[in-house]
Parts: sequence; structure tokens; C-alpha cells
Amino acid sequence: NAGVTQTPKFRILKIGQSMTLQCTQDMNHNYMYWYRQDPGMGLKLIYYSVGAGITDKGEVPNGYNVSRSTTEDFPLRLELAAPSQTSVYFCASSYEGAHSYEQYFGPGTRLTVT
Amino acid sequence: LAKTTQPISMDSYEGQEVNITCSHNNIATNDYITWYQQFPSQGPRFIIQGYKTKVTNEVASLFIPADRKSSTLSLPRVSLSDTAVYYCLVGALGGRDDKIIFGKGTRLHILP
Repeated sequence: NAGVTQTPKFRILKIGQSMTLQCTQDMNHNYMYWYRQDPGMGLKLIYYSVGAGITDKGEVPNGYNVSRSTTEDFPLRLELAAPSQTSVYFCASSYEGAHSYEQYFGPGTRLTVT
Repeated sequence: LAKTTQPISMDSYEGQEVNITCSHNNIATNDYITWYQQFPSQGPRFIIQGYKTKVTNEVASLFIPADRKSSTLSLPRVSLSDTAVYYCLVGALGGRDDKIIFGKGTRLHILP
């Protein structure tokens, strides 16, 4: 199993541009998540999904959109990129189940907006 | 979701046992306690999870007192490769819980 894969690894965007961060998992997990991590800080939840067709906002959803058309894929869309969105983005997935916080993380996408 | 408090940083030496304590005074009945480890430029990695008393796996032990208002992650005989940030999370994930908070974690630095 490849686990959770993310593309691209690095990206530089100009202010106002848009892009999609890709995330795919091959573990048949129902739950998927997007986090951002600013330098020296913990992770903040952007969006999450408990299954195909279901998405919910996390702590910092503004400026982002997600979709979940399949169990495997959970892309994150940035519209009108701003410097405040410069961060490292992590995708994660987990088994469906109460009380389980065992999330599997991807390697991250480092995004710079200038 | 219960707020957690951890030390910002800790130093220790190779071969020592390291204990990192997390306070969670407002933990709810259904909440579990989970610890993650994160190396630079990598995503966090699950270490251990527990509800009460003691849990042990091949990597660490987790001690939870009866009142569950704190927990202690114990790393036996640490090595330089255990230098990382360690996060304590408290919550119940079942259904549409949108308050998964990692916090700033504890930066553990292992010295030779």
C-alpha cells in the first residue's frame, strides 16, 4: 500500500492564482482530512470528510474548498491565493470508528504565495 | 473539545526515559487521549491512544490517572532519532466532529 499520497510536493503561486492540491489514499478509509501547518505551529483542520459525498468545515475553512466524489480522493482547492495561505498542507485519512484518532498522514505540500 | 496543555519544549539525553505530561482538565466522558510524533518536514505519526489506566505498545507507554485530567507519554531509553515534536490530543471522534485540535505540541530534543 502507498498509504496517503499528496501532489505536488512544492508549489509557488502568485497572489490571486488558484490551484488544487491532490490527495489520494489506498487504505479504503472513510474519513479524510486536510490540515495546514504554519512554521512553528501545530496543525489546524481546514476541512474533513466522513465519506464520499460528505464534507464539513474544520477550524480554518475560509479561502478553501473541497470535494469527495470517491472514497480514495479528497482534493483541496485554493481560490484566489493570498500570502496568508503560505503554509504546509497535510492530508490524512483514518478508519471509520468512534474514538479513533489514528490518522495516517501524507508527506505534505509546501505552498508559497507571493 | 477538551483543551490540552503541554510543555513547550524538553531536553533529555540518549538512553534516558522521557516523560511528557499533558493536562486536560475538561476531558469529557467519551474522550480518548492520543499522542502523535512529528519529525521536521513530515506529517505527524500516531504513537499511542488510551482511555484510562495504562497502555503500552512497542514504542511508548501512556499513563492515565483515575481522574483522567492529565496523561503522561513515556518514551523508554530515547535515542537521537526521538528528537521530534509530540502532540497530545483529547477528543471523541465518531460522526461529524469538527474540532480536532493539535495544539503546538512539545519539542523534545535528545542530546548525545
